[in-house]
Amino acid sequence: DAEITQSPRHKITETGRQVTLACHQTWNHNNMFWYRQDLGHGLRLIHYSYGVQDTNKGEVSDGYSVSRSNTEDLPLTLESAASSQTSVYFCASSGAESGGPYNEQFFGPGTRLTVL
Amino acid sequence: SQKIEQNSEALNIQEGKTATLTCNYTNYSPAYLQWYRQDPGRGPVFLLLIRENEKEKRKERLKVTFDTTLKQSLFHITASQPADSATYLCALASSNTGKLIFGQGTTLQVKP
Repeated sequence: DAEITQSPRHKITETGRQVTLACHQTWNHNNMFWYRQDLGHGLRLIHYSYGVQDTNKGEVSDGYSVSRSNTEDLPLTLESAASSQTSVYFCASSGAESGGPYNEQFFGPGTRLTVL
Repeated sequence: SQKIEQNSEALNIQEGKTATLTCNYTNYSPAYLQWYRQDPGRGPVFLLLIRENEKEKRKERLKVTFDTTLKQSLFHITASQPADSATYLCALASSNTGKLIFGQGTTLQVKP
């Protein structure tokens, strides 16, 4: 069955370190998204991609970067981790035609990141 | 600024009753609206999508309404069951931004 996976599921790191969270989907979806979820803020969009070599900034993109070298993967990198980036991170994908999330999004199980 | 509001207080209802959750938005003209369910420790799961030109959508025990004049969507679960207990998120997207904006979610607790 097609699925979307995230790794690691839990990560503890130190301030200033570079961290990469992996997201892999097997639906062959064009669109992929990264969100963070914090108490009091709900899900906030970090970065998104509508296809290979396409990346876009979301509402909370500072300190994060993504790259899309193939359809299946959209890794999220924290260039220099900060305590404010302690959160639960969700990756999602959708099969809408390139240009917008007009279909349902399928979410991964999440990565709980703690920055000490 | 654009804002989506869902009742932050948990909704507690008795099994068998209808649960009604509200999603209000301001400064936004969504082309469509989606509802998701999220269980603790898990990612959201899609439930329903309703477009701006649709007034109502149904799926089994679920019903969603969309009033673009009131800038409000209502999400109903009829004959609620304890298994319906979860957090429900509404999300809006406009065709010109192409991005999905989520509300904070409302936690529903169905008691047997």
